[in-house]
Amino acid sequence: GDSVTQMEGPVTLSEEACLTINCTYTATGYPSLFWYVQYPGEGLQLLLKATKADDKGSNKGFEATYRKETTSFHLEKGSVQVSDSAVYFCALSGSGGGADGLTFGKGTHLIIQP
Amino acid sequence: GAGVSQSPSNKVTEKGKDVELRCDPISGHTALYWYRQSLGQGLEFLIYFQGNSAPDKSGLPSDRFSAERTGGSVSTLTIQRTQQEDSAVYLCASSSSGRAGMNEQFFGPGTRLTVL
Repeated sequence: GDSVTQMEGPVTLSEEACLTINCTYTATGYPSLFWYVQYPGEGLQLLLKATKADDKGSNKGFEATYRKETTSFHLEKGSVQVSDSAVYFCALSGSGGGADGLTFGKGTHLIIQP
Repeated sequence: GAGVSQSPSNKVTEKGKDVELRCDPISGHTALYWYRQSLGQGLEFLIYFQGNSAPDKSGLPSDRFSAERTGGSVSTLTIQRTQQEDSAVYLCASSSSGRAGMNEQFFGPGTRLTVL
C-alpha cells in the first residue's frame, strides 16, 4: 500500500537558519502530495500541496516540489522564525484516483530557538 | 464561518465501555473523514463518507469500531468495548468533495480519548 517516510526529529534550529525536512513516498499511480502543520495547541492545517509531477507548492515562505523521479516532496524554507515551531506532516492522497483518506508520515517536530 | 467541530474534547472511560465521538463538518462539505492520532502509530485514516455512505471503511482497526453519518452532516464514531490501545486523539476532517487530491481537508480540534 501507499506509505510516507519523513524524518521524525525533533529538529532544532536557530532563528534565520535554513530548513529542509525530507519526505519520500511510495504509491502506485499518481498521488497528490501535501504538507500539513500542527502548531502547539492547535489543529492540523494545510500548509501547501502539489497535485502533479514538477509542481511546486508554496505558502508562508515554505516550498516543496513534487519530484516523481525521486518520489520526494521535501519541505524547505530559507529563513525560519520562532513562530514556525510546530509539527509538520507530509501526506499523500490515494493514488488510485478515487476518493479516500490521506496517508500521513509520522510527523517532524521542529523547534526554532531565538 | 464555523470550522469543523468535535465533541467531547476529552473523554475518559473505563476499559470495556462503549464511547461515541461526534463530528460536525463545515456546512456544505459533502466529504467527511475520521483519523486517529496516537504516539505509536502517528496519523491513521479510519473511514471516509461521501454524503451518508461510506465507500471506504478499510482503515477501521477492528469490528469494535463503527461510524455513521446522517443527513449528510453530523457523523458519529462509535467504539464498543473499549481497550487501552484505543487511547488516542480522534480527528475529523471535511472537504467540499470526495476527491482527496483535489480539495483541502479541514480538520477539527480532535477528541482525546483515554481508556483506563
